[in-house]
Amino acid sequence: GESVGLHLPTLSVQEGDNSIINCAYSNSASDYFIWYKQESGKGPQFIIDIRSNMDKRQGQRVTVLLNKTVKHLSLQIAATQPGDSAVYFCAETSWGKLQFGAGTQVVVTP
Amino acid sequence: GAGVSQSPSNKVTEKGKDVELRCDPISGHTALYWYRQSLGQGLEFLIYFQGNSAPDKSGLPSDRFSAERTGGSVSTLTIQRTQQEDSAVYLCASSPSGGATGELFFGEGSRLTVL
Repeated sequence: GESVGLHLPTLSVQEGDNSIINCAYSNSASDYFIWYKQESGKGPQFIIDIRSNMDKRQGQRVTVLLNKTVKHLSLQIAATQPGDSAVYFCAETSWGKLQFGAGTQVVVTP
Repeated sequence: GAGVSQSPSNKVTEKGKDVELRCDPISGHTALYWYRQSLGQGLEFLIYFQGNSAPDKSGLPSDRFSAERTGGSVSTLTIQRTQQEDSAVYLCASSPSGGATGELFFGEGSRLTVL
């Protein structure tokens, strides 16, 4: 079936650098995408979302880019901080439910 | 509390026993979701409630799994005759309305270990 997936299982980033987390999706019918952050022992927490009629959306230190041509979603984190260490999931909504990708572990090094 | 509350936070059980996991959504949220997360894995959709009805049960792994929601609020996920492969964190989320958009608010999960 169609699915959402991530390119990199682990991303190591030096503190202060920018992070880029990538996600590929295959369901062309999906029209809404969300990035979640999950810290150890906690439930996922909403970061930012984007609709399919947009190609870019910015939040506080985060930017989500959507390329519908190649079905690619990315999350950019500016000036990565130790508190950004977590697992990041992209998710797509289709037919009323949220489908999650496998997740990327981001490790921020000093 | 203001967030989604799940209980128990940890449950250790023996293979073959039944378990019940409880979710208290945020007050007023009409949509409620159950997900399962195995160690180091992503989130696996189990079931979605809109009010008390479950329009999508497609993610339930087997007939040993069932869920109900009463009064448009509390939901219980029941696993009968537990197996070791049922060991996982079971996450509940709610949202103000269902459908294809909107932020989900997650609880901290119930960690189930089947010995």
